[in-house]
Amino acid sequence: SQTIHQWPATLVQPVGSPLSLECTVEGTSNPNLYWYRQAAGRGLQLLFYSVGIGQISSEVPQNLSASRPQDRQFILSSKKLLLSDSGFYLCAHYHTGELFFGEGSRLTVL
Amino acid sequence: EDQVTQSPEALRLQEGESSSLNCSYTVSGLRGLFWYRQDPGKGPEFLFTLYSAGEEKEKERLKATLTKKESFLHITAPKPEDSATYLCAVQARKYGNKLVFGAGTILRVKS
Repeated sequence: SQTIHQWPATLVQPVGSPLSLECTVEGTSNPNLYWYRQAAGRGLQLLFYSVGIGQISSEVPQNLSASRPQDRQFILSSKKLLLSDSGFYLCAHYHTGELFFGEGSRLTVL
Repeated sequence: EDQVTQSPEALRLQEGESSSLNCSYTVSGLRGLFWYRQDPGKGPEFLFTLYSAGEEKEKERLKATLTKKESFLHITAPKPEDSATYLCAVQARKYGNKLVFGAGTILRVKS
């Protein structure tokens, strides 16, 4: 079965500091991977998706970037965090008609 | 602009009090409509996918239905453990495998 690991689970960072959130997928190869952000009381907003190593598509202009250095690894980064980057970040992969999610990373920017 | 709208935003039910959640969408070329359950601080958990108008799917106390404009998630005789946020998402042909989510309905079931 496929499993999605995200870390860290919780992160508190000051404004202007860098960010790195990591997602790894087990039990599948060449997955389609996604980063979503969920702000309080709002739906999931798609940030990035990747269909393969080094292939990143950005959905919205923002302060964040994504990279896919390995087949089953997807990283969300920022060089300088903003207050508005706070939220719940979810990694997901699409397989056989379903989108499977990880447990999420809660980011608070102070 | 493609939109997914869920209503109500929040719903409080007594245990055993059946009700429905609504998901209306304005997207052309629908490939699928998805329902997820999300517990606080957790990632969404897949419930159903519906592909065509008239289709219905059931799982325990939940039944999802689909028309050309909206989907309903019916909850029959809910229990406190059904309390969660229920998310609806649509997948359109022009978006490939990407899903567009609604804001969700927060359900609270009191015993």
